[in-house]
Amino acid sequence: EAGVVQSPRYKIIEKKQPVAFWCNPISGHNTLYWYLQNLGQGPELLIRYENEEAVDDSQLPKDRFSAERLKGVDSTLKIQPAELGDSAVYLCASSLVGGAGGINEQFFGPGTRLTVL
Amino acid sequence: GEDVEQSLFLSVREGDSSVINCTYTDSSSTYLYWYKQEPGAGLQLLTYIFSNMDMKQDQRLTVLLNKKDKHLSLRIADTQTGDSAIYFCAESIREGYQKVTFGIGTKLQVIP
Repeated sequence: EAGVVQSPRYKIIEKKQPVAFWCNPISGHNTLYWYLQNLGQGPELLIRYENEEAVDDSQLPKDRFSAERLKGVDSTLKIQPAELGDSAVYLCASSLVGGAGGINEQFFGPGTRLTVL
Repeated sequence: GEDVEQSLFLSVREGDSSVINCTYTDSSSTYLYWYKQEPGAGLQLLTYIFSNMDMKQDQRLTVLLNKKDKHLSLRIADTQTGDSAIYFCAESIREGYQKVTFGIGTKLQVIP
């Protein structure tokens, strides 16, 4: 079974340009996450989707970042316009979250490394 | 609030045991996890422990949890060069679902 797929793997843009990242989660996973990982840091949650609904976007800088998960499967994360400080790895993860409150094993994609010049 | 701390770097010789330590602050953590990240890859769950357990062993991996001190450790026996990676400690707290917070990661370097 394929894991979480992300594209592109690398992206270099100039500041003030727009950029978009795409994620295809593991089939059947109802929950999708976008994380920001700065160099030498752990993943920090940007937004979490349950099916099509964004249920936690409190850490998403909404002035420049937007995300969508149409049909509750694939998702895109967009930055417009990009700033120098947005250079980081953007990770997508998915999990199957049930109502019993068991462990939340998240499956991560390889990430998109963004460089803003 | 949630906060997970780890040391940044650990170097061991091949064949030795590695011990990676982590402290967390939230006493209401339900589960604690260890994730592994190899270069250019996403994180992968290695093992986890329920908060009412003290120890969990899985082949070469031993997880110890001291709930009183909020201290978690991961011991890797007979460390191999393929174990070189960044290891992330994480905790989850039930907020409608198990919300996961990650530490900054410990880079393990295995010297042949």
